[in-house]
Amino acid sequence: DAGVIQSPRHEVTEMGQEVTLRCKPISGHDYLFWYRQTMMRGLELLIYFNNNVPIDDSGMPEDRFSAKMPNASFSTLKIQPSEPRDSAVYFCACSGGETPYNEQFFGPGTRLTVL
Amino acid sequence: TQLLEQSPQFLSIQEGENLTVYCNSSSVFSSLQWYRQEPGEGPVLLVTVVTGGEVKKLKRLTFQFGDARKDSSLHITAAQPGDTGLYLCAGDQGGSEKLVFGKGTKLTVNP
Repeated sequence: DAGVIQSPRHEVTEMGQEVTLRCKPISGHDYLFWYRQTMMRGLELLIYFNNNVPIDDSGMPEDRFSAKMPNASFSTLKIQPSEPRDSAVYFCACSGGETPYNEQFFGPGTRLTVL
Repeated sequence: TQLLEQSPQFLSIQEGENLTVYCNSSSVFSSLQWYRQEPGEGPVLLVTVVTGGEVKKLKRLTFQFGDARKDSSLHITAAQPGDTGLYLCAGDQGGSEKLVFGKGTKLTVNP
């Protein structure tokens, strides 16, 4: 398996623009997580899905953020409109399959810069 | 308030030195995981500890889970430049698939 795939790897946009981040999890892993990482706050959980259904979105900072998982092999995180304070590295991770202790497998991340 | 406190936040040492980093909490975890994150990449799982008092070794890395399952440590023997990275601990409180992450220890091993 190729592991978790995220695109794009880097995104530079201007304030007010819509940003869409994409994730393809490992096949057979039925949990998918979106995280945001900054120096100040570390790794923060934004939302997670189980079998394509959102389970906990309490970490989503505000209504400008939305996430979808239309099928088991694809998820998106959208920011509309984007603001400079959204600049961070966004990770997608997955778990499930045969891992017994909720171990998570992370993608390489998308580095977002909002000017 | 951070549920998992990691210390030190930064550590810079010379190749060949030994080091220990810590992950502490007032909460009990059913398991605790350690990840290493290299620049420009996502965290990668190193080990999971499950039983209080458990010690696991991974080559030059030794992981220990506290007896009360509230804390953990990572000891590296004879550090190498390839050990450079951000070390994150993550706790599983049980009841959900979520993990609680610490902010990490950023380790730099100078040649």
